[in-house]
Amino acid sequence: GDSVTQMEGPVTLSEEAFLTINCTYTATGYPSLFWYVQYPGEGLQLLLKATKADDKGSNKGFEATYRKETTSFHLEKGSVQVSDSAVYFCALSDLGDNKLIFGAGTRLAVHP
Amino acid sequence: EPEVTQTPSHQVTQMGQEVILRCVPISNHLYFYWYRQILGQKVEFLVSFYNNEISEKSEIFDDQFSVERPDGSNFTLKIRSTKLEDSAMYFCASSPDGGNQKLFFGSGTQLSVL
Repeated sequence: GDSVTQMEGPVTLSEEAFLTINCTYTATGYPSLFWYVQYPGEGLQLLLKATKADDKGSNKGFEATYRKETTSFHLEKGSVQVSDSAVYFCALSDLGDNKLIFGAGTRLAVHP
Repeated sequence: EPEVTQTPSHQVTQMGQEVILRCVPISNHLYFYWYRQILGQKVEFLVSFYNNEISEKSEIFDDQFSVERPDGSNFTLKIRSTKLEDSAMYFCASSPDGGNQKLFFGSGTQLSVL
């Protein structure tokens, strides 16, 4: 079945460092891809999404590009802030399916 | 900004007891979901609910689980006889139109079964 694999955390960075969180997927169809973020004490929030190959999702300085050839959707940010400390979840949803399949989440800790 | 509200934030129960996890979805949303995350594992889909009936459920959602929208505002998940392996964070979500692009999650209920 469909699945999502993302890099294990925690990822610990200094403020203004470059961030990459790897995500790869397995899907039988042509899925939409998502990154969700969970800040401490809050629910999961949609960070960005991409619905077709080579689409780039972006929000709040974060970017991810839908790479069909490598089945990847890596999350990047050029300069992280302390306020980016959270758990990041990669997810997919197959065409016509309204449920999400998540990865295990990657905790990011950014220090001043 | 409207949000999905879940109560309680943390529930402790004894094995074999019934628990009800409560959620108040965003008021004009029509589709409702439960997901769970066992510590250190992936967030897993449990069930989706639309028009007062289950529209899809996973293998995890066996006869011990049930969902209900009792009064037009609350959306509940009941576990009839809890097991140790039911310990997890349970997330409620709602969507205005069933599309996966517009899913709003609550902050979760941490269920601990002792």
